[in-house]
Amino acid sequence: EAGVTQSPTHLIKTRGQQATLRCSPISGHTSVYWYQQALGLGLQFLLWYDEGEERNRGNFPPRFSGRQFPNYSSELNVNALELEDSALYLCASTLEQGRAEAFFGQGTRLTVV
Amino acid sequence: GQQLNQSPQSMFIQEGEDVSMNCTSSSIFNTWLWYKQDPGEGPVLLIALYKAGELTSNGRLTAQFGITRKDSFLNISASIPSDVGIYFCAGFNTGTASKLTFGTGTRLQVTL
Repeated sequence: EAGVTQSPTHLIKTRGQQATLRCSPISGHTSVYWYQQALGLGLQFLLWYDEGEERNRGNFPPRFSGRQFPNYSSELNVNALELEDSALYLCASTLEQGRAEAFFGQGTRLTVV
Repeated sequence: GQQLNQSPQSMFIQEGEDVSMNCTSSSIFNTWLWYKQDPGEGPVLLIALYKAGELTSNGRLTAQFGITRKDSFLNISASIPSDVGIYFCAGFNTGTASKLTFGTGTRLQVTL
């Protein structure tokens, strides 16, 4: 069974540009979470999607947005990129809403120059 | 955002030694989880705890859910080089705000 997959693995963008990151959850999982991990730091909660709806978002500006598609895959968009957005972006999926056991992908390393 | 406090922040140990780390929160959680992250990779789930006072093992790893529901502990026995990495605790509550709140991490380095 395939795990959570994220693409691309690495992404380099210029300040002010937009970035799109993609995530495919484990087959059968309906909830997708996005986390930001700045270099050497912990994981900060960004967004939670379940059954196609945004259920919760962390303390991030509106230029961080996303969506979940009917096949439960998800996309994270970051507009007007700033240097401080450089980080590892991690996607995780859970079997369903209310389940704690989250399984993570390998992440997308976003570098803003 | 909120982060749970983990200690120690980092530790150097010799192969074969036992390791203990803990995680504390100012608020209650009804589920605690422990993850391990290798450099450049996503966290991997090690152990999940669902009940206050619960003690659960996974091979050489043993974790406990604190009775106050505000803390958790992870022990690694007889450490080996592949134990190197960053260990994160995470707390979870069901409900409309369901999400994992992560600890600050404990970096473990093992010397031969």
